[in-house]
Amino acid sequence: DTEVTQTPKHLVMGMTNKKSLKCEQHMGHRAMYWYKQKAKKPPELMFVYSYEKLSINESVPSRFSPECPNSSLLNLHLHALQPEDSALYLCASSQENSPQHFGDGTRLSIL
Amino acid sequence: AQSVTQPDIHITVSEGASLELRCNYSYGATPYLFWYVQSPGQGLQLLLKYFSGDTLVQGIKGFEAEFKRSQSSFNLRKPSVHWSDAAEYFCAVGAGATNAGKSTFGDGTTLTVKP
Repeated sequence: DTEVTQTPKHLVMGMTNKKSLKCEQHMGHRAMYWYKQKAKKPPELMFVYSYEKLSINESVPSRFSPECPNSSLLNLHLHALQPEDSALYLCASSQENSPQHFGDGTRLSIL
Repeated sequence: AQSVTQPDIHITVSEGASLELRCNYSYGATPYLFWYVQSPGQGLQLLLKYFSGDTLVQGIKGFEAEFKRSQSSFNLRKPSVHWSDAAEYFCAVGAGATNAGKSTFGDGTTLTVKP
């Protein structure tokens, strides 16, 4: 069982749809992350939230919009995605000086 | 800038045989080093970490890794591999005490276990 919960596990959407990915952790971690992972590749960092504030945006296109409503929740809002955005999206959390705990990811397919 | 190299893209070992996965890093100061494992359809699970102290670190599932500063390496080892160890393995380096959470990952090594 993972301590970082991501929903949904699978998502299929068209290029004109709007959807959201959700991530939740109750470990008291103050840093949360979104990663994108393509098949047979390492995770690529997208966003980092520290104490509920966006601290890192790795030049991610604006069709991805992160949100951190509180210290336990992290959302990724999706709009007008492209087929190349199909991937596994991983959420992670950590405390300072500690490694990240990852969720099992959302498998996203763009039609 | 920090970087991680995993020289072996794919390794095949027989069940019960020993395993060593290589990891070389580039970082200007004392690095924060991690090994993660990823099974198909799942997220990354931390196997072990090195921050300081004893250079031989023990992890979960019978894995260990040794930090060698002179060789800029952090190789992962297991004395006897089980079929359930077949997975993707990622080595990662963190940016330091205040930014250990932002890790740079190697490209991964795929482990296949033969019966």
